[in-house]
Amino acid sequence: QSVLTQPPSASGTPGQRVTISCSGSSSNIGSNTVNWYQQLPGTAPKLLIYSNNQRPSGVPDRFSGSKSGTSASLAISGLQSEDEADYYCAAWDDSLNGHVVFGGGTKLTVL
Amino acid sequence: QLQLQESGPGLVKPSETLSLTCTVSGGSISSSSYYWGWIRQPPGKGLEWIGSIYYSGSTYYNPSLKSRVTISVDTSKNQFSLKLSSVTAADTAVYYCARHDHSNAFDIWGQGTMVTVSS
Repeated sequence: QSVLTQPPSASGTPGQRVTISCSGSSSNIGSNTVNWYQQLPGTAPKLLIYSNNQRPSGVPDRFSGSKSGTSASLAISGLQSEDEADYYCAAWDDSLNGHVVFGGGTKLTVL
Repeated sequence: QLQLQESGPGLVKPSETLSLTCTVSGGSISSSSYYWGWIRQPPGKGLEWIGSIYYSGSTYYNPSLKSRVTISVDTSKNQFSLKLSSVTAADTAVYYCARHDHSNAFDIWGQGTMVTVSS
């Protein structure tokens, strides 16, 4: 059972906008920034969004992040077939002397 | 550009100690801006942070693994290492090393190495 809760799956058709949610608590998302990772099949995760809504260089602006209270969301607009991947949220958790926590991951299928 | 590469045995026996090393190339592990961490992913499952280390040697660990984990750094070799003791089949996973900043954003990852715990 992951500390951060994500839906196990999401789907959309090419061109659509899809959102993936990440729910936490006051000790993690409620008081710290959220990062998002994309993991294509058979590859290492890639940083997609950091500090809630910042994109690293090279990440298309189709990807955006937001945070409100103890929840965060990743939005993908103009969905493309190459966006089919697993997506993970992560945050620092202040409990137990502090540690990094991940969501369970959301498998995005492009129909 | 900066690259990370994990190395170590792919097979470890139950109750023994898993040992992995991450070699950093194309940059210095002694940067004051970054930490160096280990993350694992059991087959078909999600990501789990194991722990991280600063070049000075200060460490912090996942509370659920803390009693079994030791992470160390060798700045002369530009490497950091993971030791996980008393392993069981539940420790079978792909182990990644990665760089992260003070906000815990893991921005550069190794390719990962599969470690199987089996007799």
